[in-house]
Order: sequence, then C-alpha cells, then structure tokens
Amino acid sequence: IAGITQAPTSQILAAGRRMTLRCTQDMRHNAMYWYRQDLGLGLRLIHYSNTAGTTGKGEVPDGYSVSRANTDDFPLTLASAVPSQTSVYFCASSDGSGGYNEQFFGPGTRLTVL
Amino acid sequence: GQNIDQPTEMTATEGAIVQINCTYQTSGFNGLFWYQQHAGEAPTFLSYNVLDGLEEKGRFSSFLSRSKGYSYLLLKELQMKDSASYLCAVRDRDYKLSFGAGTTVTVRA
Repeated sequence: IAGITQAPTSQILAAGRRMTLRCTQDMRHNAMYWYRQDLGLGLRLIHYSNTAGTTGKGEVPDGYSVSRANTDDFPLTLASAVPSQTSVYFCASSDGSGGYNEQFFGPGTRLTVL
Repeated sequence: GQNIDQPTEMTATEGAIVQINCTYQTSGFNGLFWYQQHAGEAPTFLSYNVLDGLEEKGRFSSFLSRSKGYSYLLLKELQMKDSASYLCAVRDRDYKLSFGAGTTVTVRA
C-alpha cells in the first residue's frame, strides 16, 4: 500500500441498504477526512478525525457515521442509503505536524443509490 | 464558515497564460490551497499561501491578498495536460478545508 486506498472503487446500491466505504492510509497521518463531490457543488466535508479515537462533524454529516479505531483506517457508513447520497466520495489525510499540512486524497468511490 | 467563489469554466490556447481567480469570505483564515483535479481522478496539491504575496512553483504561481479575501492561480506556458479542474480551498483555524466549486480549464491546440 502506498498513500491512501479506498474500497470499493464503485458501487450501485438499493435505497434503504446499509453500506460502508473503506479508507486506509499508510502514511501514519494523524488527521483523516471524508468528502463528497457533486457536480457544481465541489467537495463538501462530511466527517473528520483529528486523531485516532476522535471524530467530528463537517458541513454535511446527516445520514453518515464514522469511526476511528486506529491511525490507519477511517470507514464511512451509510446506515440507510437514499438517492441523494449518490455521489463520488473521497477520503483524505494530513499529518497535522506543521508545514503546509496539505491533504492527500484517495482515488475515490463512485456510489449510486437507486 | 467559508464562502468561496471561482469561475466555472475557462478556455485558453496551448502556450498561453491563464489566471484563475478565487474570492473568499471566512470566519477564521488559516491558509489557502490550490488543488488540481483531472477528470475521474483525485485532487492533487498544487500550492499553498498563508501570507500575502506570490508563491512560484515552476509554471504555476499563486497569489494571496488576505485583506481583500482574494487569491489567484496563474498557469503559464499552458500544455494540453493542464486541462483539468482547479480547486480553491480555504483552511480554518481547526485545520478543516472548505472548497470552491472548481474551475474547469480547457486547453486548446
């Protein structure tokens, strides 16, 4: 593994189903983030975690939950998917130790809820 | 929160220069980033400004004026591979990013 990986790459899901998007990073970054990207709206923050064991709500958290049991993994769960959650989901991480502290993004998961 | 505006689309000719403007209103400014995103791919980091002035990195430069809530990304000597979306993002004091909707740049031969 190099950088951030996300799984699955794409998924078609029936409304009402539960779905977990996986995100793993091997850079030992403290902070991790989940975004959704929709045409014309740009990237919007769903949830974030500044360090293992802590999480926070972003701009659009409703219908989503996260956990951060360890440094490397940050799964995003849709408890009961709805069509408005059709989007491309990006996971990102940053090291939070100064410098630019830029975020590095995973390749994304394209989710379609029917 | 943050309110970030940038143009939706720009078109330029190979070898030319293009300037992408970004204006923002913020409740707590802690840096401005520019990311590049090719279609179907993840955003990748281009530049960072936290103090007023110009930062130059090869063919790309980024400028910031904190008092005006304004930044621009300058792309020089445009190449076909520069066709992409360019995302302006403002960081707050909690280190969270807010993104503009992105500017799609099309480079024509």
